[in-house]
Amino acid sequence: EAQVTQNPRYLITVTGKKLTVTCSQNMNHEYMSWYRQDPGLGLRQIYYSMNVEVTDKGDVPEGYKVSRKEKRNFPLILESPSPNQTSLYFCASSFRQGVFSYGYTFGSGTRLTVV
Amino acid sequence: GESVGLHLPTLSVQEGDNSIINCAYSNSASDYFIWYKQESGKGPQFIIDIRSNMDKRQGQRVTVLLNKTVKHLSLQIAATQPGDSAVYFCAENYGGSQGNLIFGKGTKLSVKP
Repeated sequence: EAQVTQNPRYLITVTGKKLTVTCSQNMNHEYMSWYRQDPGLGLRQIYYSMNVEVTDKGDVPEGYKVSRKEKRNFPLILESPSPNQTSLYFCASSFRQGVFSYGYTFGSGTRLTVV
Repeated sequence: GESVGLHLPTLSVQEGDNSIINCAYSNSASDYFIWYKQESGKGPQFIIDIRSNMDKRQGQRVTVLLNKTVKHLSLQIAATQPGDSAVYFCAENYGGSQGNLIFGKGTKLSVKP
């Protein structure tokens, strides 16, 4: 089954304790992206990756890191989480055709709470 | 900057009625539009898409209409069912430097039995 898999689904952590949210896709998509979703603000892009070893900042990158060592994986790293990073996070992937992205598929989400 | 917006933040319909959810987009260079459905606690789920060279596209019980003249997108759901209750997002892909989707804030659809 074609899918984007995120782990964990739920995570409660303390301020300053490094964490990683994993994302994996099995569709051989070039493009992968992380979003956070907050009430009233909709989906906002954190980081994206056009392909292996190619990553760039989205609209709200502060406090986050990513890596793309393999095509299928795109982990989101919070080096020192803070309470304002409490949010619902989604990973997505798609294939590319020129400058456009098609077939956007989302993971099921990771609910992160930082206390 | 470019944005995608929705005319109505909430929509309440009677079961069996047709629903229409509207969306305005601002970037005339947008090439591709998608409607997503998001149920509580779940990720956005693809419903239907349409490219800018089309005016209408039909799926199972859903139809997307694109009016490029006024930069308007709509999602029509026929014979709305309780299982259709969710938040619906439109998104546009304008192939900018990020090549990503720009999402609207969402419309919450509530279906009354």
